[in-house]
Amino acid sequence: DTAVSQTPKYLVTQMGNDKSIKCEQNLGHDTMYWYKQDSKKFLKIMFSYNNKELIINETVPNRFSPKSPDKAHLNLHINSLELGDSAVYFCASSQGPSPSKNIQYFGAGTRLSVL
Amino acid sequence: GENVEQHPSTLSVQEGDSAVIKCTYSDSASNYFPWYKQELGKGPQLIIDIRSNVGEKKDQRIAVTLNKTAKHFSLHITETQPEDSAVYFCAASKTGGFKTIFGAGTRLFVKA
Repeated sequence: DTAVSQTPKYLVTQMGNDKSIKCEQNLGHDTMYWYKQDSKKFLKIMFSYNNKELIINETVPNRFSPKSPDKAHLNLHINSLELGDSAVYFCASSQGPSPSKNIQYFGAGTRLSVL
Repeated sequence: GENVEQHPSTLSVQEGDSAVIKCTYSDSASNYFPWYKQELGKGPQLIIDIRSNVGEKKDQRIAVTLNKTAKHFSLHITETQPEDSAVYFCAASKTGGFKTIFGAGTRLFVKA
């Protein structure tokens, strides 16, 4: 059983389209995250939810909207996709919101290519 | 703002040699320092971590050291093997904070 699973694994789309990436964790964790990894492998937090409530919202364009229907799911919807959105997006989860107390578990990533 | 610098960006070693990756953090309140390994096509995975009340921690071939005064911490891999080839990330966080700040990553190549 995959602990943190993301779908799709690959996403190729045209500029201007709207797309969603789904994430589910079966670890019973309270906290979930979205990270963006650019072509140089730099890993940056985008959003974090704890018990379905937003606790981190970094400087991310409004075109990105996370949604957490329940503690086990955190989806990412992106409107009006731009070339610069091309990256690998990682979902992660942890037992609680404090990274100094809770190990983060990452999904395998979704490689988004905007043409 | 909070920042973690990581060096080198690329490291190539011969199988059996040691590899050392170094990181520096800017927020003196940081007290937890995990290291992640990312293999090709996979997400990062925690391999070892260290807290600020400890100067060194070892787990088989992997060790981490922390110098709080200098705000430096390092990852040491001994007797490297080809399967150690991956991208390694250092990171820092603090009690009461919600964010983990990652270094830029080190791509390690272990040549057989």
